[in-house]
Order: sequence, then structure tokens, then C-alpha cells
Amino acid sequence: SQQGEEDPQALSIQEGENATMNCSYKTSINNLQWYRQNSGRGLVHLILIRSNEREKHSGRLRVTLDTSKKSSSLLITASRAADTASYFCATYQLHREGTDKLIFGTGTRLQVFP
Amino acid sequence: DTGVSQDPRHKITKRGQNVTFRCDPISEHNRLYWYRQTLGQGPEFLTYFQNEAQLEKSRLLSDRFSAERPKGSFSTLEIQRTEQGDSAMYLCASSLKGANSPLHFGNGTRLTVT
Repeated sequence: SQQGEEDPQALSIQEGENATMNCSYKTSINNLQWYRQNSGRGLVHLILIRSNEREKHSGRLRVTLDTSKKSSSLLITASRAADTASYFCATYQLHREGTDKLIFGTGTRLQVFP
Repeated sequence: DTGVSQDPRHKITKRGQNVTFRCDPISEHNRLYWYRQTLGQGPEFLTYFQNEAQLEKSRLLSDRFSAERPKGSFSTLEIQRTEQGDSAMYLCASSLKGANSPLHFGNGTRLTVT
């Protein structure tokens, strides 16, 4: 099962432009994470934001979290052709039996043209 | 490179055959996860281990799927009597225990069932 819905499904921009991706989720979370995946490869962790945080920065990445709306956004500033990849949000849920797991969204495919 | 490694990278099998995949996590990580990903979708949770204990298995997983992690080190995922619908990328990830520990993914095993 997948928790998050990402918007847009696909995004094409020119190098130097900013890219914004949105993620909505359904249940209460402990934290929300963003991952990147190049074609045919595994996922790479980008950034984690905890449920009590509203905004976080890492290099050219800016993540916001609105727990009242159950949504998050990832902003990549000054994009580069090398940023071309799929981006996934993932939420860390606390299962009622005490086990926990990371549930991924459907992803946004970003294409950055040189 | 001491990242997560998966073997094989590609597997082509005929319907009805059994297949087994192996994952070697980062050595100090006590959690190990298996996910399945189909084209254009996000990773779908299958199961996870903490050390050698299998703590959760997705209800979507049929009885044909089994995973083990003997001695809390490497893990194997076996699919018995494969079906064409099993064709997907099978991703393994490991992490330290704790909600704020990011997942480190291998590059996956791509299974094609003919």
C-alpha cells in the first residue's frame, strides 16, 4: 500500500529554474523523508523533517511540512541537468502494534533540460 | 564501497519457477527492509527485520513469498511458483533502529517472469 500522493506526477524545467514537488499523506506521522531515484537504481535519502518541524534546508533543498494539512513540499533551487530523477516522499508511521515502517508515495519525475 | 548490495542485479525466470534474491546490508545496521517497485510507481513495503526477527509482513504478500535473515546479517527473499505479476524491481534497504534513521538502499534486483 502507498501512503502519499505526489503532485505533479511529472515536471519538466530548464536548468537554473526552481522545481517544486508536493506530497500529501493520510495518517499521523513521526517524520517525513524525501528520496531521489535515478533510473534503474536504488533510492538515495535527501532530507528528513520531523513532525514538530515546519521547514528544513539542506544545500539547494528546502522542505516544508504542514501536519494540519498532511502535506509537504520539496523545493530544489537553481536546478541542474544532474537533478533529473524521480523524487519520492516517504512517511514514517508508527504502527499500533509498536512496529514501524517507511511508506513511500507515488513519486514525481523531474526532467531538467540543459 | 560498504553500501547495501543486492544479488543478482537481474533475473529472468519462467512462470512457475522459484527464485531467491540476496541482500547484504550495511554491517552496523540492525534493520533490513524489502520493497517491491513496479514501473512508474513508488516502492511498496513487503517486510522488515530487526536483527533476525521479522517484525512485519505486508498483507499484500502472498504465501509464495518468504524472507529470512539468519543471524541478523544478510537476508534472502524467495518467491515460489513465480507469476508474471511478480515482475518488478525488488529493493532492499537497511538502517539503524529508530524513526529518524534514513534508509540506505541497494540498487535492486530486477525480476522478469516470462
